Amino acid sequence: GDSVTQKEGLVTLTEGLPVMLNCTYQTIYSNAFLFWYVHYLNESPRLLLKSSTDNKRTEHQGFHATLHKSSSSFHLQKSSAQLSDSALYYCALSDPAQGLTFGLGTRVSVFP
Amino acid sequence: GPKVLQIPSHQIIDMGQMVTLNCDPVSNHLYFYWYKQILGQQMEFLVNFYNGKVMEKSKLFKDQFSVERPDGSYFTLKIQPTALEDSAVYFCASSMTAEVFFGKGTRLTVV
Repeated sequence: GDSVTQKEGLVTLTEGLPVMLNCTYQTIYSNAFLFWYVHYLNESPRLLLKSSTDNKRTEHQGFHATLHKSSSSFHLQKSSAQLSDSALYYCALSDPAQGLTFGLGTRVSVFP
Repeated sequence: GPKVLQIPSHQIIDMGQMVTLNCDPVSNHLYFYWYKQILGQQMEFLVNFYNGKVMEKSKLFKDQFSVERPDGSYFTLKIQPTALEDSAVYFCASSMTAEVFFGKGTRLTVV
């Protein structure tokens, strides 16, 4: 079945530094979408980014990601982390059958 | 933005009893989901529901689990009987297209 791998469980960094969260996936569906969801404590997980076409960059709220089907990746990046970016980030794969398959999540902690 | 409401936010129940988790999805959405998250682990798909029927369910969706949305009201997850390993946060979600909207979750503790 589908799977999503996020190799970093925890990322800690200083405010103002760049951040990159890795996401790779496996699926049999050639038209699957990839997503990044952000989950703040005591809130609902919410959509941060949705993949576009192959090799096209998508951006939202300072974050960006590019779907690369050749490497099955959809890494999340931001050029300058802010304290408010501290949260849990999930990479997710959507297939036509069962909706979203999530990775384990990466906890990001940004310090002053 | 669109909101999915889950009631209650916390529930404690004795093992073997029945529990119903309620979800009020986004009003014009057609697809509904339940996900389970055990403390410290990822969110895992349980079931999705469309047009009054279960479309897909995972191996986590045991025989003791059932879902329904009677008369377009709450989308419910019922567990009967509950077991200790059912303790988790259960997230409801709904969608119209590929974007899925989540509730804040119901923390279920089975004692």
